[in-house]
Amino acid sequence: DIVVTQSPDSLAVSLGERATITCKSSQSVLYSVDNKDYIAWYQQKPGQPPKLLIYWASTRGPGVPDRFSGSGSGTDFTLTIASLQAEDVALYYCQQYVAAPRTFGQGTNVEIK
Amino acid sequence: QVQLQQSGPGLVKPSETLSLTCTVSGDSISSYYWSWIRQSAGKGLEWIGRVYTGGSTKYNPSLRGRVTVSLDTSKNQFSLRLTSVTAADSAVYYCARGLGTALGVPEAYWGQGSLVTVSS
Repeated sequence: DIVVTQSPDSLAVSLGERATITCKSSQSVLYSVDNKDYIAWYQQKPGQPPKLLIYWASTRGPGVPDRFSGSGSGTDFTLTIASLQAEDVALYYCQQYVAAPRTFGQGTNVEIK
Repeated sequence: QVQLQQSGPGLVKPSETLSLTCTVSGDSISSYYWSWIRQSAGKGLEWIGRVYTGGSTKYNPSLRGRVTVSLDTSKNQFSLRLTSVTAADSAVYYCARGLGTALGVPEAYWGQGSLVTVSS
């Protein structure tokens, strides 16, 4: 299985400041057929299912605000929240979907400083 | 807009079979792929498996042949069946749909989640 590791486990950021989460996969998630990196980012709030934020490493999901952005390639990826809002307090997960079984990182808890 | 409504028992006895159903509205079950994912405190998010249009399936090998995901096109539903459950299978179970009709996209639309506890 591809192991996906996030850092940090927890992050406290002031309102309006930038939050950055990294995700590292144990092998490349680049799909050679379409040259896309098969990494997704999700946001999960208590009692809710995960919500897709980013796919193909940098494409925003449906209805996702543009303060959320993704970057990276190969095995190293980053989710950035450009200006943290109160409603962004949540758990964030990355997922690789290039190979079965699809695997998730352990999660990063983002809170307000 | 697609909606996924989960149903099934919240309590299952050890060694018995866990069965959950996801009823889809706003989309045809005959397109897209449909997944099951579970979440527990101990193991985080774990992808269980998926069924694709036509009935082709892919499962997580960690579940060692105990899992079946199937489509019921007549009811626009898909189902999860997990046999020989133990306490380690206690989790919140989610059904989900892929973002688009291709396989190379992540899960984008999720059910509300079903808490399943394995206990006698």
